[in-house]
Amino acid sequence: EAGVTQSPTHLIKTRGQQATLRCSPISGHTSVYWYQQALGLGLQFLLWYDEGEERNRGNFPPRFSGRQFPNYSSELNVNALELEDSALYLCASGPRLSGANVLTFGAGSRLTVL
Amino acid sequence: QKEVEQDPGPLSVPEGAIVSLNCTYSNSAFQYFMWYRQYSRKGPELLMYTYSSGNKEDGRFTAQVDKSSKYISLFIRDSQPSDSATYLCAIGPDYQLIWGAGTKLIIKP
Repeated sequence: EAGVTQSPTHLIKTRGQQATLRCSPISGHTSVYWYQQALGLGLQFLLWYDEGEERNRGNFPPRFSGRQFPNYSSELNVNALELEDSALYLCASGPRLSGANVLTFGAGSRLTVL
Repeated sequence: QKEVEQDPGPLSVPEGAIVSLNCTYSNSAFQYFMWYRQYSRKGPELLMYTYSSGNKEDGRFTAQVDKSSKYISLFIRDSQPSDSATYLCAIGPDYQLIWGAGTKLIIKP
């Protein structure tokens, strides 16, 4: 069974640009969570999608947005990139309306903002 | 004060030693206590999950929760080089977990 897949693995952007990160959940999972893992910090919750709807949002500015597609894959968009957006962005998936205690994580997309 | 605090390490111990990893938290309402392991260039994987309180054992791993002290621990017995990773605690009232920054553990052969 394929795990959670994320693309791209690495992404380098400059300040002010936009970044798009993608996530494919495990087959049968409808919940997708996005987290930011900055160096030396714990995972910070960004967004939770389930069955195409945004269920909850972490304490991040509106330039962090995303969506979930009918096949339950998801996309995270970061607009007007700032240097402090450099981090590992992790996607995790779980069964429908699952809590964070049953999630499976992908390997992450490392975003570097220069 | 951070809601969840975890010593970043690195913690370096010889193979076969007993390892103790710890987190403290501030909110007594938290009920979910989890430990994740993260290898380099990989996402976190769930190791142990405890709801409410008490101890839980799984092979060489034991998780303990002390709600009176707001303190959780992960013990690894007979540590192996393959246990070298970053260990993250995640604590919360429900699905909105709050994560520690992780402790880097190095097991020396």
